[in-house]
Amino acid sequence: EDKVVQSPLSLVVHEGDTVTLNCSYEVTNFRSLLWYKQEKKAPTFLFMLTSSGIEKKSGRLSSILDKKELFSILNITATQTGDSAVYLCAVEGGNDMRFGAGTRLTVKP
Amino acid sequence: EAQVTQNPRYLITVTGKKLTVTCSQNMNHEYMSWYRQDPGLGLRQIYYSMNVEVTDKGDVPEGYKVSRKEKRNFPLILESPSPNQTSLYFCASSPSVTGPLRDTQYFGPGTRLTVL
Repeated sequence: EDKVVQSPLSLVVHEGDTVTLNCSYEVTNFRSLLWYKQEKKAPTFLFMLTSSGIEKKSGRLSSILDKKELFSILNITATQTGDSAVYLCAVEGGNDMRFGAGTRLTVKP
Repeated sequence: EAQVTQNPRYLITVTGKKLTVTCSQNMNHEYMSWYRQDPGLGLRQIYYSMNVEVTDKGDVPEGYKVSRKEKRNFPLILESPSPNQTSLYFCASSPSVTGPLRDTQYFGPGTRLTVL
């Protein structure tokens, strides 16, 4: 059965720390892996990854995909309180999309 | 403004009373989808539609119906709601069904449904 597993489920850090969020998957007919950030509203898109080993970067956030080992990581450096959110990993297989349970990140001042 | 709208945003209802949550997008997107979000389970896809009159089941379609009579609208219908359908529901759309274009998936603001 297809599944997407994120870890950790919850993480508390202090401003300035670096965090790594994990997403592993087993999905038939893999097409892409996406990361979203969800605050108190709808998810907003961060990255889409389709190829192994190519890092996507946006400011302090970066992500990479390993299609052989079936996982992705999302890194956030120099965290800020505004990074506090739930980070969702989603994998597109065929025509549907499967989400992980999310990692709740709390950044304390 | 390009957007996905959902109505209502909040709804409290009773078991067995049919309800419809509307979803509309103004971006001429082909692909539309409904998700439910529950604590610890993330978002789970209920149904999706690749174009007008084309709908398919997602992971958790039981107890739900959808229709896609027009490109812009994709209502979610609960014929006989039950308490286990209490959840936060999101509608989403994206421009195309070909290729990995889900990066441009736009989410609606969500509908919080409580079934008593």
